[in-house]
Amino acid sequence: NAGVTQTPKFQVLKTGQSMTLQCAQDMNHEYMSWYRQDPGMGLRLIHYSVGAGITDQGEVPNGYNVSRSTTEDFPLRLLSAAPSQTSVYFCASSPSPGTSGSKTQYFGPGTRLLVL
Amino acid sequence: GQSLEQPSEVTAVEGAIVQINCTYQTSGFYGLSWYQQHDGGAPTFLSYNALDGLEETGRFSSFLSRSDSYGYLLLQELQMKDSASYFCAVIGGADGLTFGKGTHLIIQP
Repeated sequence: NAGVTQTPKFQVLKTGQSMTLQCAQDMNHEYMSWYRQDPGMGLRLIHYSVGAGITDQGEVPNGYNVSRSTTEDFPLRLLSAAPSQTSVYFCASSPSPGTSGSKTQYFGPGTRLLVL
Repeated sequence: GQSLEQPSEVTAVEGAIVQINCTYQTSGFYGLSWYQQHDGGAPTFLSYNALDGLEETGRFSSFLSRSDSYGYLLLQELQMKDSASYFCAVIGGADGLTFGKGTHLIIQP
């Protein structure tokens, strides 16, 4: 199993550009989520999904969109990049809440984004 | 809402024991998790407590007191490779984890 994969690893954008951060998992996990990590701020939840076709907002959703058309993929879209979105983005997955192992989230390697 | 407090930095000596504390305020609570993150890496799961008491996994142990909204991570026989950031995180419901801001553990030889 590859686990949780993210692409790209690094990206530089200009203000106003849009892009999609890709996330895929091969563990058949129902739950997937996106976090951003900024220095001194820990990880903050952007959006999450409890299954294909279902998404919801986390703590810091503004400026981001998500969709979940398959169990495996959960892309994060930046609509119009801003310098405040410079961060490290982590995708995570876990089995359905309430199931064995659901307490463990598996994180991808992260995408480092710089917005100029 | 949910908030977690943990020290920003802890220093310890190789071979010693260190405890990292976490207090939380949550509107819902299913359990407290701990994650380790090395510089430049991704968080990795260490432990989870849903009930009061101590959970032990090798050199790492985690404790929870639900009545005190308090938990800690205990690392024994510290090794240089344990130098990392440690995050406590609350599972409050179906909306994922809420993380503390992390504790940077510095280990001195």
